[in-house]
Amino acid sequence: DIQMTQSPSSLSASVGDRVTITCRASQSISSYLNWYQQKPGKAPKLLIYAASSLQSGVPSRFSGSGSGTDFTLTISSLQPEDFATYYCQQSYSTPAFGPGTKVDIK
Amino acid sequence: QVQLVESGGGLVKPGGSLRLSCAASGFTFSDYYMSWIRQAPGKGLEWVSYISSSSSYTNYADSVKGRFTISRDNAKNSLYLQMNSLRAEDTAVYYCAREATAMATFDYWGQGTLVTVSS
Repeated sequence: DIQMTQSPSSLSASVGDRVTITCRASQSISSYLNWYQQKPGKAPKLLIYAASSLQSGVPSRFSGSGSGTDFTLTISSLQPEDFATYYCQQSYSTPAFGPGTKVDIK
Repeated sequence: QVQLVESGGGLVKPGGSLRLSCAASGFTFSDYYMSWIRQAPGKGLEWVSYISSSSSYTNYADSVKGRFTISRDNAKNSLYLQMNSLRAEDTAVYYCAREATAMATFDYWGQGTLVTVSS
């Protein structure tokens, strides 16, 4: 099975900051990597699919990059509504999620 | 608009059974693969099972294989998860999710239903 890791596990940031979250797969998954945002008590929301494609309706401040084993989610200018937990997920084989990165207010 | 509404969660004793349902609307249900994904309290997301659009293919996480059964009724626009031999570690919020045309990419999720396994 493919294992997913994320770093950092949590971070504190201010509104307007540029935020970068890293996801790593235990083996190459090409570009089969998705990113989700989850707020407390809510279902996850798809942000980025196929490593770098923005899901319809998602603000352009979110972007994704990477291929193979190393991937990045970037929020170019953090907004108040972006404080949440972010999960990566590989869709190359049996789906697996990363452990999550919690973004909170500095 | 796409809506997924789960039901059937609750408190059950270890070794017991429960059947979850997910009612879908706002899209052609029979065109899409569907999955169940769960989240233990305070923990991350764990994919549980998927079923193909025509029910021809199913797959399960090792943690539930042999105990859980996924099914669907396209005439009723409904997805199900039969959970048997429940364990404390099955306690979680269970989400149903639609798979986008890109496989194993979950573009719509329900609000979740809580399953608690405790004596």
